[in-house]
Amino acid sequence: GQNIDQPTEMTATEGAIVQINCTYQTSGFNGLFWYQQHAGEAPTFLSYNVLDGLEEKGRFSSFLSRSKGYSYLLLKELQMKDSASYLCGLADSWGKLQFGAGTQVVVTP
Amino acid sequence: SAVISQKPSRDICQRGTSLTIQCQVDSQVTMMFWYRQQPGQSLTLIATANQGSEATYESGFVIDKFPISRPNLTFSTLTVSNMSPEDSSIYLCSVELANEQFFGPGTRLTVL
Repeated sequence: GQNIDQPTEMTATEGAIVQINCTYQTSGFNGLFWYQQHAGEAPTFLSYNVLDGLEEKGRFSSFLSRSKGYSYLLLKELQMKDSASYLCGLADSWGKLQFGAGTQVVVTP
Repeated sequence: SAVISQKPSRDICQRGTSLTIQCQVDSQVTMMFWYRQQPGQSLTLIATANQGSEATYESGFVIDKFPISRPNLTFSTLTVSNMSPEDSSIYLCSVELANEQFFGPGTRLTVL
């Protein structure tokens, strides 16, 4: 199995930085994905890590350490519109995704 | 990127009936995926649909309940059969292109 664990909820203020951790236990995967999902909408792709290290995309960065079974998504300069659920997912070589339960981020003024 | 459309966007159905959800992609893709998202939950993979072969179902999902068609490389359907209130969910199709996974807008199903 691929137990994928994320915190249930995180709260941060506008302009701050929040780090969402994702830990997993699996025998192997192709890549690790992060998605953002606003209530009532489909998930939108944020980032993808194949190799260990940091991937930066504007205000969002994602980090992967395969040896530690650990990833995080870093959200900088938080905006109110960043209030959403953030999903960590592992993809196999066929592209099938297994998701964690998601982390609800609440941004306060 | 891939543009994915789904029909219907939402529906309210009676117990015991069936609903077929359509998924159309603007690119040819080898595999299409169907996911379910129950209220307040994360996404769960139902099955993988390959063109020209039977769909591959994940544990807990069976073909009789969720028959899938994949007639060509840009289209797939998922049928939710003999529905019960427990089938009330959002159903999403997804494709992989250039190492990115794209999701359709989803079909919100309510079963009374």
